[in-house]
Amino acid sequence: DADVTQTPRNRITKTGKRIMLECSQTKGHDRMYWYRQDPGLGLRLIYYSFDVKDINKGEISDGYSVSRQAQAKFSLSLESAIPNQTALYFCATSDTGTGGGGYTFGSGTRLTVV
Amino acid sequence: GENVEQHPSTLSVQEGDSAVIKCTYSDSASNYFPWYKQELGKGPQLIIDIRSNVGEKKDQRIAVTLNKTAKHFSLHITETQPEDSAVYFCAALLYNFNKFYFGSGTKLNVKP
Repeated sequence: DADVTQTPRNRITKTGKRIMLECSQTKGHDRMYWYRQDPGLGLRLIYYSFDVKDINKGEISDGYSVSRQAQAKFSLSLESAIPNQTALYFCATSDTGTGGGGYTFGSGTRLTVV
Repeated sequence: GENVEQHPSTLSVQEGDSAVIKCTYSDSASNYFPWYKQELGKGPQLIIDIRSNVGEKKDQRIAVTLNKTAKHFSLHITETQPEDSAVYFCAALLYNFNKFYFGSGTKLNVKP
């Protein structure tokens, strides 16, 4: 089984719909992150969480919300999806803030908003 | 915050040649610099990293160099192979801010 599992792998949804992307990890890491990847723009941070009671906005949090249900689970919601949220979404985990070992990424969720 | 710039955006080399990807960062407080490889349909995977107290690190055909004075670091791949074809991302960790800043990625194509 993968260390960081994202579901679904692919999703097509309509404008205005609410959608949730889920992430679970077996790494035992405290820190979890949601990134968005668009062609030519690299990886941009949406939200991050350093423990179950900690939620922080990243650089592009507008239109998104998150929930850290447990140490191992971190979900990303689009309250009312719009076409420019079409992108590849990655969940990542890390062990410490000093960067030991870097991130472990999930395989991504390809979201299309029509 | 930190700003990481990565060049080139695309790189095409012949199999067996070397490939170099360069990144610059803006904040001298950054102290950890990982490189990630992303293959088609997969998430990025850590391939090598370097800390600010080290100038160079090697792992078989891959090496990373860091120039703290100039605030730039580079990925070097020697004897490239077709399976090296992927998108490569550099990143910088800003000390005490506990999150990574990524470059925009380099698409490497190794031609057989």
